[in-house]
Amino acid sequence: GAVVSQHPSRVICKSGTSVKIECRSLDFQATTMFWYRQFPKQSLMLMATSNEGSKATYEQGVEKDKFLINHASLTLSTLTVTSAHPEDSSFYICSARAAVYNSPLHFGNGTRLTVT
Amino acid sequence: AQTVTQSQPEMSVQEAETVTLSCTYDTSENNYYLFWYKQPPSRQMILVIRQEAYKQQNATENRFSVNFQKAAKSFSLKISDSQLGDTAMYFCAFSMSGGNTPLVFGKGTRLSVIA
Repeated sequence: GAVVSQHPSRVICKSGTSVKIECRSLDFQATTMFWYRQFPKQSLMLMATSNEGSKATYEQGVEKDKFLINHASLTLSTLTVTSAHPEDSSFYICSARAAVYNSPLHFGNGTRLTVT
Repeated sequence: AQTVTQSQPEMSVQEAETVTLSCTYDTSENNYYLFWYKQPPSRQMILVIRQEAYKQQNATENRFSVNFQKAAKSFSLKISDSQLGDTAMYFCAFSMSGGNTPLVFGKGTRLSVIA
């Protein structure tokens, strides 16, 4: 089946630094990818929709300058958390949908970000 | 905007028994999809079952089945012959039809299967 690879699975960084998270569709082309954030014991909240070759669409309340999204190819989207702070510590999950009608959404394994 | 409500934060069931998880949603759309996802402690999102709104027949996947009531905007998940491996968070999710639409998730139900 379709596989979405997300890397890294865990990352610890110091406050003020930037962290890049990659989301790759391994066996299909994804024109659209979605980035979610999940706090402990909570649901997945959509952060942004990433479209190949165009600017990402951010949900209300998500700072686009803090969470930079780049979807430069049909198989790769990246989320960069800039100037990370402890409150950015969370679980980030990407998902991708193939460029085929009625294609289901496939999820990466997520990235646990800890900002110290 | 679409909303998904799961009114049961936690549930438990004895192994081999049957359990039903509730989900309601709100939308003005006529064509859409509904999903149940399982999230075990590994936090991997696993698709359990999917229902297309224009299909009247309830979806079934082995021990998992849904009761889709479109008029009532209800989409419950029934797990039969519960197994210890079914212990997980279960999220109900909604998606409009179309390729560029994300999933909207409910708050989840934590299911514990007890031996």
